[in-house]
Amino acid sequence: SQTIHQWPATLVQPVGSPLSLECTVEGTSNPNLYWYRQAAGRGLQLLFYSVGIGQISSEVPQNLSASRPQDRQFILSSKKLLLSDSGFYLCAWSFRAGYGYTFGSGTRLTVV
Amino acid sequence: AQSVTQLGSHVSVSEGALVLLRCNYSSSVPPYLFWYVQYPNQGLQLLLKYTSAATLVKGINGFEAEFKKSETSFHLTKPSAHMSDAAEYFCAVTVSGGYNKLIFGAGTRLAVHP
Repeated sequence: SQTIHQWPATLVQPVGSPLSLECTVEGTSNPNLYWYRQAAGRGLQLLFYSVGIGQISSEVPQNLSASRPQDRQFILSSKKLLLSDSGFYLCAWSFRAGYGYTFGSGTRLTVV
Repeated sequence: AQSVTQLGSHVSVSEGALVLLRCNYSSSVPPYLFWYVQYPNQGLQLLLKYTSAATLVKGINGFEAEFKKSETSFHLTKPSAHMSDAAEYFCAVTVSGGYNKLIFGAGTRLAVHP
């Protein structure tokens, strides 16, 4: 069966520090991968999606970037965090449209 | 482009009462529709999905939803609320083709009181 791992679960980082969040999927090949952010009291905002190694599409301009160095690995990064980067970050994978998404357990990022 | 509107950001019911969470969608092509549940500080869990088969879809934990094309709705219901149903619920839409981007509604927080 397929599983998705996301870490760390919580992170407190000072403003201006770098960020690296990692997500890996097991049990499937060539998944579509996604990063979402959920700010306090708000819905889910799609940040990035990837349909293959090295293929990244950005949905909104921001202080973050994403990379997919391996088929089942998706990384969210920032060179310098802002206070507004705080939120709950969720990684997800999908196979095809009708299958929906499977989400990781999320990372709670607090920028101080 | 697709969009989802969830009516009511907060819904409160008594334990044992009917749960009704509303979702309306907009799509120019036949949609795939989903309901997800999120417990505090956790990821999203799929409750049920509509993918153009039966219009009445049954999901986990006793939830079900009915796809009504004429009303462009996909409301989530449960006959009898349980305390453990307290969570946030998201409706989402996507379409075949493209990159399977799921568009989420703003969410509805369900409170269940004794």
